[in-house]
Amino acid sequence: GAVVSQHPSWVICKSGTSVKIECRSLDFQATTMFWYRQFPKQSLMLMATSNEGSKATYEQGVEKDKFLINHASLTLSTLTVTSAHPEDSSFYICSADNDREGVTDTQYFGPGTRLTVL
Amino acid sequence: QKEVEQNSGPLSVPEGAIASLNCTYSDRVSQSFFWYRQYSGKSPELIMSIYSNGDKEDGRFTAQLNKASQYVSLLIRDSQPSDSATYLCAVTTRNTDKLIFGTGTRLQVFP
Repeated sequence: GAVVSQHPSWVICKSGTSVKIECRSLDFQATTMFWYRQFPKQSLMLMATSNEGSKATYEQGVEKDKFLINHASLTLSTLTVTSAHPEDSSFYICSADNDREGVTDTQYFGPGTRLTVL
Repeated sequence: QKEVEQNSGPLSVPEGAIASLNCTYSDRVSQSFFWYRQYSGKSPELIMSIYSNGDKEDGRFTAQLNKASQYVSLLIRDSQPSDSATYLCAVTTRNTDKLIFGTGTRLQVFP
């Protein structure tokens, strides 16, 4: 149980294009999902908290117009990197908070998406 | 002071030994504590969660929490080379469900 998938697992795109990454909770519902970014040899950095049916909450310094988040259902959140540039190349990881686990706040992570912008 | 602190390591232990990983946190109202394992190039994988003072055991892993000292640790018994990874300590508080991560401790288990 508590499986989270991400698609695609890796993507290479040209500078200036947009890339959409999907995060799905496969066997549980998740009102809240999170998006992280991790650069090589650095720790996870929380980008935003995604809430089903409402606007995402972005961390300080993260551009909401560049990183569009949509959480349209209890099992799917998407992150769109708009007008991607080489400095956006990173490992993007989502996590989901199982609604049925109440206040435990346990987050289950997806396998990550490696984005390379040429 | 960082909110969650870990020694970056590497911590090197021989196969079969006990690996002891430590973490301190600054926010006294922290209520949920987690250990994640992250292999190079992979996403974090939940190892243990602990919510109350004392020890919690799961197989070869034991998490220890001391809220008075604001300290949480992870012991790995009978360490195996496959345990070689970065171990992330994470904490949440009553006011938010966001995870606050430490920078991780790199563990190396040598044969």
